[in-house]
Amino acid sequence: NAGVMQNPRHLVRRRGQEARLRCSPMKGHSHVYWYRQLPEEGLKFMVYLQKENIIDESGMPKERFSAEFPKEGPSILRIQQVVRGDSAAYFCASSPLQLTGQGVGYTFGSGTRLTVV
Amino acid sequence: GENVEQHPSTLSVQEGDSAVIKCTYSDSASNYFPWYKQELGKGPQLIIDIRSNVGEKKDQRIAVTLNKTAKHFSLHITETQPEDSAVYFCAASTNAGGTSYGKLTFGQGTILTVHP
Repeated sequence: NAGVMQNPRHLVRRRGQEARLRCSPMKGHSHVYWYRQLPEEGLKFMVYLQKENIIDESGMPKERFSAEFPKEGPSILRIQQVVRGDSAAYFCASSPLQLTGQGVGYTFGSGTRLTVV
Repeated sequence: GENVEQHPSTLSVQEGDSAVIKCTYSDSASNYFPWYKQELGKGPQLIIDIRSNVGEKKDQRIAVTLNKTAKHFSLHITETQPEDSAVYFCAASTNAGGTSYGKLTFGQGTILTVHP
């Protein structure tokens, strides 16, 4: 029973390059959330997706950032023309369609640590 | 939007002592309050959660209390052990009834160190 799988674990990009972060939710989970964690800070919500739909992208920067969760395959968080300020840990979480009564049922992946040089 | 404040930012205790971390939230519509433990280089792991229709919940050495009127909730760890050392985050969310959508607003985190 694999958990939420994120890859790569570490990603180094030069300024101006593109970063692609992948997230495969837990089996049976159809909701995906992306969060960003800056050093020594809490996690900040970025975007919430269901299969083929973006439900809430209120935490996502308007420019250079995009996310998708296609019918087949993992969810992708894409950052174009990266800048040093994009350096952070990016976490994906997934939850099932139905509440269990024990809460949202969030399961986080281990994250992708992006370093922009 | 929701704002969650967490205190203290660092907490150092001796093994066997209790540790208490407190959080306040601003949005009275928030109805779900999870706590996460994050170890170095790993993602946050849910350790306990509480819904707004419950005042207290306990799971072995961990307990969470919620005061809806004052809009604050606390994590209590008893008989602390060195392996409890980690960063702890509180969070708050509004779950619309019947859906699993719960955008979490996190506190700033507490670095807990348990000395043997």
